[in-house]
Amino acid sequence: DQQVKQNSPSLSVQEGRISILNCDYTNSMFDYFLWYKKYPAEGPTFLISISSIKDKNEDGRFTVFLNKSAKHLSLHIVPSQPGDSAVYFCARRSRDAGGTSYGKLTFGQGTILTVHP
Amino acid sequence: DARVTQTPRHKVTEMGQEVTMRCQPILGHNTVFWYRQTMMQGLELLAYFRNRAPLDDSGMPKDRFSAEMPDATLATLKIQPSEPRDSAVYFCASGLGQGRRNEQYFGPGTRLTVT
Repeated sequence: DQQVKQNSPSLSVQEGRISILNCDYTNSMFDYFLWYKKYPAEGPTFLISISSIKDKNEDGRFTVFLNKSAKHLSLHIVPSQPGDSAVYFCARRSRDAGGTSYGKLTFGQGTILTVHP
Repeated sequence: DARVTQTPRHKVTEMGQEVTMRCQPILGHNTVFWYRQTMMQGLELLAYFRNRAPLDDSGMPKDRFSAEMPDATLATLKIQPSEPRDSAVYFCASGLGQGRRNEQYFGPGTRLTVT
């Protein structure tokens, strides 16, 4: 049961334009969604997160939108830069049966973003 | 600049051999995670610890994989015996385990190739 899905394996965008990365989920038991960015030969690095009680969170060029009715979230990067070229993972943070969160994450498959100069 | 470190960065071994991967979490972090990344499965959680105690290892093949934290500065992941299907990049991550954001900090990974 893949609970977090990124249906687009890749996305190509021109520098200066908007990049929109999408993620769908099937289970509503979460408290945060997080986005991670990964460059080749490096570990993923945290980018931005959104709480389940919000529908938008913004940090500089990065904005994450959460649509709970559609069980969908998206990451917008505006304007896109060549240095943004990387693999982007969305991840869901879940709680255990007792309601405690230890930070366990379930990741999507990732989307390769290429920003052309 | 606090970082998660992992050794070795690359490991090539023959099927049947034991493999040990090591991780040093960020000082002060009390939650440690092991992930495996493959083309087919993406990033999947193998096991995680809080305050050195194992919390969940349901993602790990029990018959050949074992994860331990001998002390707060070292986490190990062992595969014995290794098989070609274990070829993957293994990531260790650490975090505080609670809190509003609770992001995890990943190491650079160990690329394992089993021939």
